[in-house]
Amino acid sequence: QVQLQQWGAGLLKPSETLSLTCAVYGGSFSGYYWNWIRQPPGKALEWIGEINDSGSTNQNPSLKSRVTISVDTSKNQFSLRLRSVTAADTAVYYCARSSGLDYWGQGTLVTVSS
Amino acid sequence: QSVLTQPPSASGTPGQRVTISCSGSSSNIGSNNVYWYQQLPGTAPKLLIYRNAQRPSGVPDRFSGSKSGTSASLAISGLRSEDEADYYCAAWDDSLSGRVFGGGTKLTVL
Repeated sequence: QVQLQQWGAGLLKPSETLSLTCAVYGGSFSGYYWNWIRQPPGKALEWIGEINDSGSTNQNPSLKSRVTISVDTSKNQFSLRLRSVTAADTAVYYCARSSGLDYWGQGTLVTVSS
Repeated sequence: QSVLTQPPSASGTPGQRVTISCSGSSSNIGSNNVYWYQQLPGTAPKLLIYRNAQRPSGVPDRFSGSKSGTSASLAISGLRSEDEADYYCAAWDDSLSGRVFGGGTKLTVL
């Protein structure tokens, strides 16, 4: 059974850097893309980007300038860094596995407030 | 403004059949597979339909998906109270080189 467990700071000040990590348990880590998705309160899902075990990434053009997605295959983990956050980045952040986003993490609420 | 267009709301009574539409373009739905997700309040989305019409193990056959051209639909038959949730469609977009979602449809079971 594949499980994704994510963690990271939940409260940030404007201009700080958001940092989240997602660990994958069970199943294979290689052969998949691993995704980050966010959902502002009361709003729709927004895809942030994805990475595979070789480090190849695809990213949302609207966030690409502020986003770094990295992978640590020795730990079956991948991470998200989002620089220069503002209140508009307040959201629940999820990690998920491609194929088809079939397995999701539990979500982390990140609040940006001064 | 989401790349894929869904109606913001839908409703039905128990036992009814409801459909939720998802409209896109040639760069996303028109050339790639469509996926549907169910999100219950306060929980992570759950994959409901993959590759346009396939159901993951454990998803009841009351849920079905279809695609035609640049549009897709999710149908729920035999509506039940536990189907009350938000539903999202998604697809890969070749122009954006990324995954795009619909704005979500809130389904109410009356």
